[in-house]
Parts: sequence; structure tokens; C-alpha cells
Amino acid sequence: DADVTQTPRNRITKTGKRIMLECSQTKGHDRMYWYRQDPGLGLRLIYYSFDVKDINKGEISDGYSVSRQAQAKFSLSLESAIPNQTALYFCATSDRRTVNTGELFFGEGSRLTVL
Amino acid sequence: AQSVTQLDSQVPVFEEAPVELRCNYSSSVSVYLFWYVQYPNQGLQLLLKYLSGSTLVKGINGFEAEFNKSQTSFHLRKPSVHISDTAEYFCAVSLTGNQFYFGTGTSLTVIP
Repeated sequence: DADVTQTPRNRITKTGKRIMLECSQTKGHDRMYWYRQDPGLGLRLIYYSFDVKDINKGEISDGYSVSRQAQAKFSLSLESAIPNQTALYFCATSDRRTVNTGELFFGEGSRLTVL
Repeated sequence: AQSVTQLDSQVPVFEEAPVELRCNYSSSVSVYLFWYVQYPNQGLQLLLKYLSGSTLVKGINGFEAEFNKSQTSFHLRKPSVHISDTAEYFCAVSLTGNQFYFGTGTSLTVIP
């Protein structure tokens, strides 16, 4: 089983619908991140959380919200999806105990299409 | 703020030929540097990293990168590529290990 699991892996929805992407991890890491990948733009940070009570906006948080339900779970919501939110979304984790060695561990991605 | 520039969006190379993927960063302070690889339909995985010490860093699958502080570069190299190296490669920087900034990626295609 994957250490970082994203659900759903693929989703097609319509403009205006509410969508939730879920991420769970078994690595015991305290830090979790949501990134968005678009062709030619690389990965851009949406939100990140350093623990259950600490949630921070990234560079492109508008139109998104997150919830850290537990140390192992971090969900990304699109309250009212729009077509330019069509992208590949990645959840990632890292561990503050190894912050000086810095490494992100990624899920396999959730491909979202908004029609 | 940190930023990362990957100068080549696509790099085609013949099998067993050498390859260099370029990465430049901008930062006024010391940073940690990373290369990640993304195989088709997969998430990203760490290829190698520079934190401190020797400027030549060796990673998995025969890749290596050299940190050049004066040129603010961290180019990725492999002396002989295989078909299985076909993937998207991302350079990333981190100031403290708290936030990571990614480049736009380089698509490496190895031609038989």
C-alpha cells in the first residue's frame, strides 16, 4: 500500500459543483501539503499544514479550502469548481524531525476535470 | 523570495548519450536544492538533494548534480541515459525545509 494515498484518482465534474479531494498518510509525518500541477507551470503550492491546528495559505489558495481532520488526513475542497481548476492535484508530506534533510513524499495524484 | 528556473521544457536525447538538465535558482540566502522525477502517471519522487558539504551530489539511477553557488545553478547530469529515464524532472528549492518551490519541469525523452 502507498504511504500517501489520494482519493479519488480521477474525477470529472461540472462547473459550480463542490468537490473534495482527500489525502491520508501512514508515514507518521506532521506536515502535509496540497500542490497543483499544470502543464508548463510545474507545481504550485495551494495550502500547507504543519500540524492539525496550523494551516497556511500557499501561493494559489483562492477558490480552495482545506481541512486537517487528523495528523494523517488533509482534505482539499473546491467550494464551487470552475474550469480553470482543471489540473492534476498532489498531496505531499514531510517530517519536521528531518526538516534539515528536507524531502517531500508525494501521493500519486488526483486528476480533476471541471466541465 | 525564492524562484527556480528550468531553462529547457523538453529535452530529447538518444539512448546511451549523456544528458544535462539545467536549473537556476534565485535566493539571497542559502537554500536546500532538490531534483525530483515524475514517471508517467505517478507522483514525484526524490532523485537527489543538496543540503551542504560537497558540491557534487549523487542520486539514484546514476544521476548526479553539481551545486554552483556563484552561478546559482544546480544542473542535473547523467553520462548515459536509458529508455527508462524518460520522465518529467523538476528542480526545487527550499529555504528551511518548510516550503518548497518548484521549477516548471523538463520533459526528458530518450530516443531508442
